[in-house]
Formats: sequence, C-alpha cells, structure tokens
Amino acid sequence: GEDVEQSLFLSVREGDSSVINCTYTDSSSTYLYWYKQEPGAGLQLLTYIFSNMDMKQDQRLTVLLNKKDKHLSLRIADTQTGDSAIYFCAENAGNNRKLIWGLGTSLAVNP
Amino acid sequence: NAGVTQTPKFRILKIGQSMTLQCTQDMNHNYMYWYRQDPGMGLKLIYYSVGAGITDKGEVPNGYNVSRSTTEDFPLRLELAAPSQTSVYFCASWGQGARNTEAFFGQGTRLTVV
Repeated sequence: GEDVEQSLFLSVREGDSSVINCTYTDSSSTYLYWYKQEPGAGLQLLTYIFSNMDMKQDQRLTVLLNKKDKHLSLRIADTQTGDSAIYFCAENAGNNRKLIWGLGTSLAVNP
Repeated sequence: NAGVTQTPKFRILKIGQSMTLQCTQDMNHNYMYWYRQDPGMGLKLIYYSVGAGITDKGEVPNGYNVSRSTTEDFPLRLELAAPSQTSVYFCASWGQGARNTEAFFGQGTRLTVV
C-alpha cells in the first residue's frame, strides 16, 4: 500500500546544513512535497518536485529525488534557529490528488 | 482571495456532543479535503470531494460525515464526539487541471473532546 517514511528527529548546529530524508512507495506519484509546521501552527508548503525531475533548488533549499529508490531528500543550507520545526514529506498519490503524509521530522537547531 | 477559511479555530466538546467544522474556499477549486493530525503524527485523510455533490471516504472516516452542496463549502460533521477525535483538523482545496500543482490549507481547527 501507500506509505511515506521519515526519520523522526534531526539535530544540527546553527550554520550547518540539514538533510531530511523520506522514502515513499507509490511509484505513480506525480509530485512530492515538503511542508514545514511550527509548533501550534498550520502547514507551510516549502517546496515540491515533479516526478520527472532529479533536483530542484530554491534559495537555501535543495530537493533531491531518486525515483529508482523512491527516495526524497530536503537539504537546508546554513540552517538557522528559525528553521526549527517539523518537516513533513508528502506524496501526491495521483488518484484524486490525495496526499499521503509521513510522520514528520522534528528539526532542532542548536546555537 | 481569502484562500481556505476554517472555523472555529478552537473548540472544546464534551463526550457525546455534536458539532460542524466549517470550511470554505474562494478559489473555485473542485477538490476539497478534510485531514486530521493527531499529536506527533502526520495527516490522515478523513473525507474528500472531487466536486459539488460528490464525496468519498478517506483513510479514517468513522465518526464523521461531510456534504458538498456547493463548490465553496465542505463542512465536516462530528456526531457523538469521542476523546479519540481530539485532534487538529485541516481542510484543504486543490484546483483542477495540470497547472494546479499544490493543495491550499486552512489554518486548522484544534478540537478537544473531554
């Protein structure tokens, strides 16, 4: 069945790069997404990648997609304390645009 | 455009009470969704709709009902609230056509059942 998996926690030092990983199972997914959620807040779309792309860069964010391994990663360069949040990976399962979500990776940025 | 608007933002219900979570969007989107997010978890799909008059169950529909009488509105009804329905509820909409590549989310409704 459809499933999205992420590691639950990541801790980095301010100024370092963060890499958050995600694996998914539905090879028919057309888009894959990264959302950010700060405590008690809603969902902020950070970036997404189309399934026929390998990489997408958007300022400090780099998304890498390995379709063969069904592996997606989000790299945040020069991580700041304001990047502390939970990051969700989600895939568009294609059928009626339903999103399948990972459990989220809690990123802690230490000064 | 206001986007996706959910009301209320917060609510406390007693066990057995009923309520309706409201969701409206002004983007003329065909697709609308209700997700719930339990503490420390990702989102699970409750119900969705691909257009006015059409609704379908998601992963976790038990204890909920929806209707879609207009394109704009997609209310979620809780009958006989239970503590297991304590969660944050997110409504989302998505436009039709290949150019529409993302969902738009409301700010969420934080529901506590005591």
